[in-house]
Amino acid sequence: QQQVKQSPQSLIVQKGGISIINCAYENTAFDYFPWYQQFPGKGPALLIAIRPDVSEKKEGRFTISFNKSAKQFSLHIMDSQPGDSATYFCAARSGATNKLIFGTGTLLAVQP
Amino acid sequence: SAVISQKPSRDICQRGTSLTIQCQVDSQVTMMFWYRQQPGQSLTLIATANQGSEATYESGFVIDKFPISRPNLTFSTLTVSNMSPEDSSIYLCSVEGGQLYGYTFGSGTRLTVV
Repeated sequence: QQQVKQSPQSLIVQKGGISIINCAYENTAFDYFPWYQQFPGKGPALLIAIRPDVSEKKEGRFTISFNKSAKQFSLHIMDSQPGDSATYFCAARSGATNKLIFGTGTLLAVQP
Repeated sequence: SAVISQKPSRDICQRGTSLTIQCQVDSQVTMMFWYRQQPGQSLTLIATANQGSEATYESGFVIDKFPISRPNLTFSTLTVSNMSPEDSSIYLCSVEGGQLYGYTFGSGTRLTVV
């Protein structure tokens, strides 16, 4: 119940293409769903986040789509750039404990 | 959002020894979180540290192995005790930055045990 499942494990996209990463959860007590970007040797950095009362959130080239009934959410990176090459983690927060549970991560490579 | 300073950034330690990792936040926070990230893996929560109370450990992590201190609202330490090569990981601290800023992470401590 505490797991967050993330796919794909790795993704190769051409420059200018759309990168899509998917996550699914089971615990309906999760109340906050962030996405993190991590470059090698760095800590994760918050990219964008959404709450379950919103179905979509867009910030620049990054969009979260959220399907509460299906318990799924996804990250779309439009016009992907080589500088977007990093590992992306979805996460979910338990409203009861404030703990963040992370997905398994997706290694994104954007080819020039 | 909060700024976290984590020390050391990396260390190479002999097995059987202990290492204390420091996490300093530039603002007062109620909850601090310690994570472990094994090579090529995701982040796993070790424990939650609240000021003035004992840390709460996740399944698989025990206080004798990972003692945590939280002396005030801006500082915490995590000690990795009696280290073995299996403890080689990145250790990260994190704080909640409120609704606008989400959770902020330190840059991590890359630990190698030889």
